[in-house]
Amino acid sequence: GESVGLHLPTLSVQEGDNSIINCAYSNSASDYFIWYKQESGKGPQFIIDIRSNMDKRQGQRVTVLLNKTVKHLSLQIAATQPGDSAVYFCAETFQGAQKLVFGQGTRLTINP
Amino acid sequence: DAGITQSPRHKVTETGTPVTLRCHQTENHRYMYWYRQDPGHGLRLIHYSYGVKDTDKGEVSDGYSVSRSKTEDFLLTLESATSSQTSVYFCAISVVGVWLPGNTIYFGEGSWLTVV
Repeated sequence: GESVGLHLPTLSVQEGDNSIINCAYSNSASDYFIWYKQESGKGPQFIIDIRSNMDKRQGQRVTVLLNKTVKHLSLQIAATQPGDSAVYFCAETFQGAQKLVFGQGTRLTINP
Repeated sequence: DAGITQSPRHKVTETGTPVTLRCHQTENHRYMYWYRQDPGHGLRLIHYSYGVKDTDKGEVSDGYSVSRSKTEDFLLTLESATSSQTSVYFCAISVVGVWLPGNTIYFGEGSWLTVV
């Protein structure tokens, strides 16, 4: 069945460094991917999305890369700040679907 | 914030009792969703609604029912709560279905439910 997972459950980076959070997906039919940020005690917050007709999309300090060949998604956060500490989830869906399939999440910790 | 209010935010209930969680939106979005979040499982869809009185099951719908009598309210009911339903429940809304262009799904702040 379809599934989305993350390579690393935790990631620690120094403040100011770049962070890369990875995500693998197994459903080759998935063609829309979203990254969410979840801070402690709050709901997931939309960060950035990408469709399968693209391999890269940039936002403010964030970049999502999609490699359909190996079914891999990554979120890059530039110049990581303390406020970036959170759990990051990738989610996938496909045409006609009404649900998102979420990965397990990666906890990003920023070291001062 | 996307104008989503969940209530109650925290609840402790006993096994076998009925529980209703409410999701209220002020955005007039067509689609509403209920997810649960558990360690090791991430977020999983329970039920969703694509309009007033139009609902469908998600991947973990057993033991749950929903109702949507107004655009702004989506209720999740546990008819007879069990300990396995101890979880954090999130409501989400979107203008259009999850896949369609221009869509963004917004989540509420969550409802913490403990069944003892």
